Formats: sequence, structure tokens, C-alpha cells
Amino acid sequence: DVKVTQSSRYLVKRTGEKVFLECVQDMDHENMFWYRQDPGLGLRLIYFSYDVKMKEKGDIPEGYSVSREKKERFSLILESASTNQTSMYLCASSPAGGLREQFFGPGTRLTVL
Amino acid sequence: QQQVKQSPQSLIVQKGGISIINCAYENTAFDYFPWYQQFPGKGPALLIAIRPDVSEKKEGRFTISFNKSAKQFSLHIMDSQPGDSATYFCAAGGNTNAGKSTFGDGTTLTVKP
Repeated sequence: DVKVTQSSRYLVKRTGEKVFLECVQDMDHENMFWYRQDPGLGLRLIYFSYDVKMKEKGDIPEGYSVSREKKERFSLILESASTNQTSMYLCASSPAGGLREQFFGPGTRLTVL
Repeated sequence: QQQVKQSPQSLIVQKGGISIINCAYENTAFDYFPWYQQFPGKGPALLIAIRPDVSEKKEGRFTISFNKSAKQFSLHIMDSQPGDSATYFCAAGGNTNAGKSTFGDGTTLTVKP
């Protein structure tokens, strides 16, 4: 069974802390994505990666960075967490070419106090 | 600039009724139109997808209707069931940029018994 796992389901951090969200996929997918989900705003793309060490900005990259050192792992980094980054964060992966279905993890609900 | 507009934001349907969710897109380069279903506490999962060379695709009780000239597509859920209560996202994607998709804002469907 294909799987995308995220390191935490719930996370509470303080303003100014550095926060790492980890995502691992076991499907050997080339593409990986980080979204944030807020009520009424749908899924907004933060960053994506199409290969190891390759990354591109999505629609809302400000305040975030990413790292992809291995094909199966894609990390989202909040350099200095702020309260407006309180949100649900979803990781997804998809294969290169062909079908472009994205497989999502269960999400991490991050609260920044 | 919102490239995929989804309506309605919420929908309440009686059991056995038809649920209809609409989406409109702007970018004519999009060539992949998936619908994702998300239950509370879970990540979105692909429900059904269509490419612009067909006008309709049906899988069980779920049908996508696609109007290329109007740049619109819709999801129809026939004989809606309480178990269909979820949030539905339409999306549109192209062949470039790691096959990333742009998502609509989502529709919360409630099917009343």
C-alpha cells in the first residue's frame, strides 16, 4: 500500500522558533509538494521539488524553506515561526510523467503561540 | 490570481439526491483535471480525474462533466449518501513544473440521512 507519512500529526511551537516538518514517501516518486490548508482558502502550494536537491517556489513561499537531500524525504522549514503560520500542512508526492495523481500524507496541524 | 474557481463553498443534500460542484479555470494549458475527496483528519485522496479530450467520465456514482470551450468542469454525485460527506477539491494541472496542480478552495458537502 502506497504511503506518505508526516512526522507529526499535531505540533505546538512558540513564535520565533525554528520548526521542521518532515515528509517521507515510499513510492519512489520524483515529485514532492508542500501545501498549507486553511478554511475557505483550499490548498495553497508552498514549495515543490522534482528531483533530489531541486526545489521551486510555489504560490506562498514567504517565511518557508525546504530541503530534499534524499529522494524519499522532503522537509519544510519555518525559519522563525509566526502566529500567521498556524495551519494544517500537507505533504504530497507524485510520479514523474504519465498519471499525475498526487498522494497526500495525513497532515500536520501546527499551532504557533 | 486565482486560476481555479470552485463553487459552492458548502452544500447540503438529502440522502439519495444529486450533489453538484462546479469549477472554472483560466489557463488553457491545463490538461489534467482531478477531483480529490478529503475526510476529516485525513489528507485528500484522488476521487476521479479527466483529460480535456473527453467531455464526460463516470466512475460508479461519480461523474465529471467537462466543457472545454467554457473552461468549466463539474462533479456530479448521484444517489448521494451520508458517507459521501467530505470536502471536495477540484484541481487543474499541466505537463510542466513537476506536474503541479492548482486547487480550488474546496466544497464541504453534507449529506443528510
